[in-house]
Amino acid sequence: DVVMTQSPDSLAVSLGERATINCRSSQNLLSNNRDYFGWYQQKPGQPPKLLIYWASTRESGVPDRFSGSGSGTDFNLTISSLQAEDVAVYYCQQYYRAPLTFGGGTKVEIK
Amino acid sequence: EAPLVESGGDLVQPGGSLRLSCVVSGFIVSNQYMHWVRQAPGKGLEWVAVINLAGTTYYADSVKGRFTISRDNSKNTLSLQMDSLRAEDTAVYYCVRGEGFITKVWGQGTLVTVSS
Repeated sequence: DVVMTQSPDSLAVSLGERATINCRSSQNLLSNNRDYFGWYQQKPGQPPKLLIYWASTRESGVPDRFSGSGSGTDFNLTISSLQAEDVAVYYCQQYYRAPLTFGGGTKVEIK
Repeated sequence: EAPLVESGGDLVQPGGSLRLSCVVSGFIVSNQYMHWVRQAPGKGLEWVAVINLAGTTYYADSVKGRFTISRDNSKNTLSLQMDSLRAEDTAVYYCVRGEGFITKVWGQGTLVTVSS
């Protein structure tokens, strides 16, 4: 199975500052010029919400302060200017092959 | 109207069975990849199973041989038959509409508790 390793486990950032989360895959997720990789946001008491797919494509309606970067085995999610409503747990996921696998999650809080 | 509504979650004894259902609206279940993903209390996300357009199914190793994903095209529903349940199967189970293997649209989830 593809192992997804996220860091850090938690992150406290001041409002308006940048937050960056890293995710590493145990296998190369790049195929046919596409990285089979996504990011999700989960707020307390809610289901996860897809933010980013194909490593850098924002889902419809996602604010442009969220951006995804990276390729192959190393990926980042950046929140350019943290807002109060961004407090959540963020998960990375590979969908290159079944079984699909998630990272352990990163909790983002306000400093 | 919510596009995905799960039901069937309950308290069940170890070794027991349970069937989860997901009523779909706004799209045809057989025209989409459909997934189940679960989340144990206070824990992260674990993908469980998927059924593709051809009806081919894939499972996590942790549930293979015990769980069965299926769809009913006449009722436009997705199901998850869970047998030989274990304490570690306790979780909120989410029905998810996929765009291929991209898990795009999530239901609100239904809670399964396995305990004596």
